[in-house]
This record gives sequence, structure tokens and C-alpha cells, in this order.
Amino acid sequence: GAVVSQHPSWVICKSGTSVKIECRSLDFQATTMFWYRQFPKQSLMLMATSNEGSKATYEQGVEKDKFLINHASLTLSTLTVTSAHPEDSSFYICSAKDRVNRNEAFFGQGTRLTVV
Amino acid sequence: GQSLEQPSEVTAVEGAIVQINCTYQTSGFYGLSWYQQHDGGAPTFLSYNALDGLEETGRFSSFLSRSDSYGYLLLQELQMKDSASYFCALSGGGYQKVTFGTGTKLQVIP
Repeated sequence: GAVVSQHPSWVICKSGTSVKIECRSLDFQATTMFWYRQFPKQSLMLMATSNEGSKATYEQGVEKDKFLINHASLTLSTLTVTSAHPEDSSFYICSAKDRVNRNEAFFGQGTRLTVV
Repeated sequence: GQSLEQPSEVTAVEGAIVQINCTYQTSGFYGLSWYQQHDGGAPTFLSYNALDGLEETGRFSSFLSRSDSYGYLLLQELQMKDSASYFCALSGGGYQKVTFGTGTKLQVIP
């Protein structure tokens, strides 16, 4: 199957700083990637849909100025958590679909963000 | 909008069969998927149903009834490594987003 690589796998940052998370499709082109957030023992909540070359589409209740998404190429999408606060601590996961098998979403390894 | 409901926890014995149910609400249906997630890991795809009926993939089978807005995942010959969370998800064709259900934590006991 297709491979999605996400970095870093974990990060600890101070409150008020910004953190960038990268999501790469290694062996396919992803015109669309999806960013999820998952709190402990909860489901994956879609934050936004990242579209190559255009603005991201955010889900209701997600602050677009706080969670900046850039999808500058067909293989890379980035999520920047700006002015992070302890309540932003969570597990962030990206996913993408390739053009051949559109019924299956491939996920990155996830990033565990801890804001102290 | 879309919503999917699952039982929160299920416990089953190693070697047995377990069924995880999923009921959903959506204005437009394309397909129901199932994903497995181990603690601290990323979800991995298990199966996809676009049409009514049963899809079998090894020890895992998935069923869909569109008229009942209902599906289930059937795990046979349970192994300890099957202990994980299982999510049903509504997915669309093309690049449409995947919306996850509430998740079911399966514990397999000896």
C-alpha cells in the first residue's frame, strides 16, 4: 500500500511557541490530505482538508488562524500549531488517498504534541 | 452532517468470534470503512463496503445494510494481537474526507 510519513513523531514545546508538523506521501501524489486530532481514548476528529495549491477547508469549530495548513506540493502538507497552549496537547494524524485506490485512506504515524 | 455510533468496549476470548456494530447517519452515502488502531499508533485500513452484503478478508469480515444504516465488523479466530480500537468510518469516493465513528475498544483475553 501507499506510504505516508509524518514527522516529528513526538514534540514537546513551551506554551506560546509554534510547532510545525510535516506529512509526506512517499510513493504517490496526494492532491488532498486530511488532518485529524485525537484526544486520549477518543475518536479521530477531522480538523481540515488540505488541498494542493489552494486554501485548506476547515471543519466547523477549528480555528484556521491557529492551525495553519500549507500544501505546497503534491507530496507534502504541513500543519503549524501557532501560539500553542496546553489544551492543544494531543495526537495529530495526517492521512491521504492515492489516485488508484480511493476507498482506502493511508495514515501517517501521528505526532504526539505536548505543550508545557 | 455525519455521525456514527459504536459500542465503547467489547471483551472476547482468544479463539472466539466477535462482532462490532456500527450505526450511522448521513445525508449522502458512499461507503463504510473499518480501521484498526493500536494504542499510540496510526489507524490501518481493514475493509470497505459500498454495497450491501458481506465482504471477507481473511479473519475479518465486514457487513453493510444501507437500508438500515448499519454495518458490522466480524473478527474470527481472535488473537491477542487483535486487542485494539476499531473504528467504522463513512468515506466518500474520490478524495472525500473520512469521518470516523466513536470507536470500540476490543480486549481479547486468554
